[in-house]
Amino acid sequence: NAGVTQTPKFQVLKTGQSMTLQCAQDMNHEYMSWYRQDPGMGLRLIHYSVGAGITDQGEVPNGYNVSRSTTEDFPLRLLSAAPSQTSVYFCASSYFGTSGPREQFFGPGTRLTVL
Amino acid sequence: AQSVTQLDSQVPVFEEAPVELRCNYSSSVSVYLFWYVQYPNQGLQLLLKYLSGSTLVKGINGFEAEFNKSQTSFHLRKPSVHISDTAEYFCAVSPPLNYGGSQGNLIFGKGTKLSVKP
Repeated sequence: NAGVTQTPKFQVLKTGQSMTLQCAQDMNHEYMSWYRQDPGMGLRLIHYSVGAGITDQGEVPNGYNVSRSTTEDFPLRLLSAAPSQTSVYFCASSYFGTSGPREQFFGPGTRLTVL
Repeated sequence: AQSVTQLDSQVPVFEEAPVELRCNYSSSVSVYLFWYVQYPNQGLQLLLKYLSGSTLVKGINGFEAEFNKSQTSFHLRKPSVHISDTAEYFCAVSPPLNYGGSQGNLIFGKGTKLSVKP
């Protein structure tokens, strides 16, 4: 299993440009999520999904869109990039059990710089 | 709402010395507790988790953590660290599923950078 994969690893954008960060998992996990990591801030949840066709907002959703058309893929879209979106982005996935916690498996991250 | 406080942003320690990374949480309900490790330029990896039962939890790489309900703490310990333990460590909590609409999302602390020196 490849686990959770993310592309690209690095990206530089200009203010106002749009792009999509890709995330895929091959573990048949129902739950997928996107976090951003900023120095001294820990990880903050952007959006998450509990299954194909179902998405919801996390703590910091503004400026980002997501969709979940398949179980495997959960792309994150920046419609009009801003310097405040400069960050490292992590995708994670887990089983969605009916009770108990879920261990989240993380991808290697995408380092995004917005000029 | 739940929150997590990691009391030290940086912890320098010499090789083979013991280390404790502190984590306190705030919650009005029982939560699940996790420690993740992030090596430089990598994603996060689960070290250990507390679900219920024994308050002493053992994880990978010789780490362990103790859940203290009265002090709402979940401190991470290792009796003897190695250079390879240099990384950033994150404490996280997850409320029960369906509590307040929760989907069990993780809430992270701000991280503690462990620096092991020779």
